[in-house]
Amino acid sequence: EVQLVESGGGLVQPGRSLRLSCAASGFTFDDYAMHWVRQAPGKGLEWVSGISWNSGSIGYADSVKGRFTISRDNAKNSLYLQMNSLRAEDTALYYCAKAGGLPQKFAYYFDYWGQGTLVTVSS
Amino acid sequence: QSALTQPASVSGSPGQSITISCTGTSSDVGGYNYVSWYQQHPGKAPKLMIYEVSNRPSGVPDRFSGSKSGNTASLTISGLQAEDEADYYCSSYTSSSTLSWVFGGGTKLTVL
Repeated sequence: EVQLVESGGGLVQPGRSLRLSCAASGFTFDDYAMHWVRQAPGKGLEWVSGISWNSGSIGYADSVKGRFTISRDNAKNSLYLQMNSLRAEDTALYYCAKAGGLPQKFAYYFDYWGQGTLVTVSS
Repeated sequence: QSALTQPASVSGSPGQSITISCTGTSSDVGGYNYVSWYQQHPGKAPKLMIYEVSNRPSGVPDRFSGSKSGNTASLTISGLQAEDEADYYCSSYTSSSTLSWVFGGGTKLTVL
């Protein structure tokens, strides 16, 4: 059974940093791209960042480019999101999502999601 | 990376069919067959319902179907059931930036 468990969220002041983690199990982690998707309270989904299985391809939403850094540790079956210079508009539930498709083939959808970790940016 | 356009809400009675539209541009919906749809119940994580425009993952009822014409994708739910009441989001790969995706604003489905 695929499991994605996010952690690292919390209350942080504007301008500060936070690092989110996602622990993956139930599939061969280093065969699949992974993504972060966020959802502000009462709002819709927003894709944040994605990383290929070998970290060779990385992308960011314009809203976080230059402030957030995605990474993965395949030996630890873990995905990370380093968030710097946080702003009030970054307040959201952050989901870790697995890319679908075949192993080591790019897929353009998200087939499994974690339950999310809440990040609140406020003074 | 502008959001895809979805109606804010749709409704239907049990047994009826409804369609949710998702309008983008030639840089996303119209340019690729990479549209996916997600169902989200309150307080829950999104669930994949349709991928690559019209493919259903195993376990998703065949009452759910997807299609695309030009820059607009559609999700159709036939034989509406009470448990279909949820928020639905479309998503597409987009060429607006390197390795980038975009979501629609979401549609609240109410089963009357």
